[in-house]
Amino acid sequence: GQSLEQPSEVTAVEGAIVQINCTYQTSGFYGLSWYQQHDGGAPTFLSYNALDGLEETGRFSSFLSRSDSYGYLLLQELQMKDSASYFCAVPPNSGNTPLVFGKGTRLSVIA
Amino acid sequence: EPEVTQTPSHQVTQMGQEVILRCVPISNHLYFYWYRQILGQKVEFLVSFYNNEISEKSEIFDDQFSVERPDGSNFTLKIRSTKLEDSAMYFCASSGTGANQPQHFGDGTRLSIL
Repeated sequence: GQSLEQPSEVTAVEGAIVQINCTYQTSGFYGLSWYQQHDGGAPTFLSYNALDGLEETGRFSSFLSRSDSYGYLLLQELQMKDSASYFCAVPPNSGNTPLVFGKGTRLSVIA
Repeated sequence: EPEVTQTPSHQVTQMGQEVILRCVPISNHLYFYWYRQILGQKVEFLVSFYNNEISEKSEIFDDQFSVERPDGSNFTLKIRSTKLEDSAMYFCASSGTGANQPQHFGDGTRLSIL
C-alpha cells in the first residue's frame, strides 16, 4: 500500500519562504503531486515530480528525491492568500489512476 | 479555463434516503473520479471510471454506492441508503489521457445526513 507523512501545521510570516515536507512509502513509485486546498474549496493541482530534482512554477517549487522517498513543496514570497492546506499525493499505479493523499499540512501565513 | 462542475453545492438528507450527486467533468477528459473528505481529514478515493465502467474502487465504495454516466456530459454518484457517517464533502475529478495528467477537482458537494 501507500502511506504519506506530512507535518500537520506550519506557520510562516508574509514575505518569507516555507518548505512543506512529505515522505512516502509506496509499493511502486509513479510520481509525487502537490495540491492546494483552501477552506471549503476544492483541491487544486500545483505540481508533479516524477524525476529527482526541483520543478519551479512561479513562487512555488517542488523537489523530489526518490532515493530518500522524500519530497517537498517550497513556497516563496509568501502571501496571505497562500494560507491553505497542502497535500502531497501519489498514484499507486502508472497511468490515470486514483490518488492517495497525505493528511495535509495546514499553512498559516501571518503578518 | 475549463472546469469540473458539481451540483448541488450542499445537500441535506435524512438518514436512509437516497442521494444523487452530480458532476460535469471537463469535456475532453476521459477519466473520472469520486473522492470524499470528512471534515478536517484527508481526501479519500472512492471510485474511478473510464470507458463507461468502473476501473477501480476503494473499500469505502460498498454496495450502497453506485456511479453512472447517463449521457455524454454528466457523471453521477448515488448513495442508496445514506448513513450518518456518509456526511462529508464529495469531490468529483477528471483527467485527460496521456502520462502524468493532473486531476482537476470540482468545488465539491457538502453532504449532510441528519
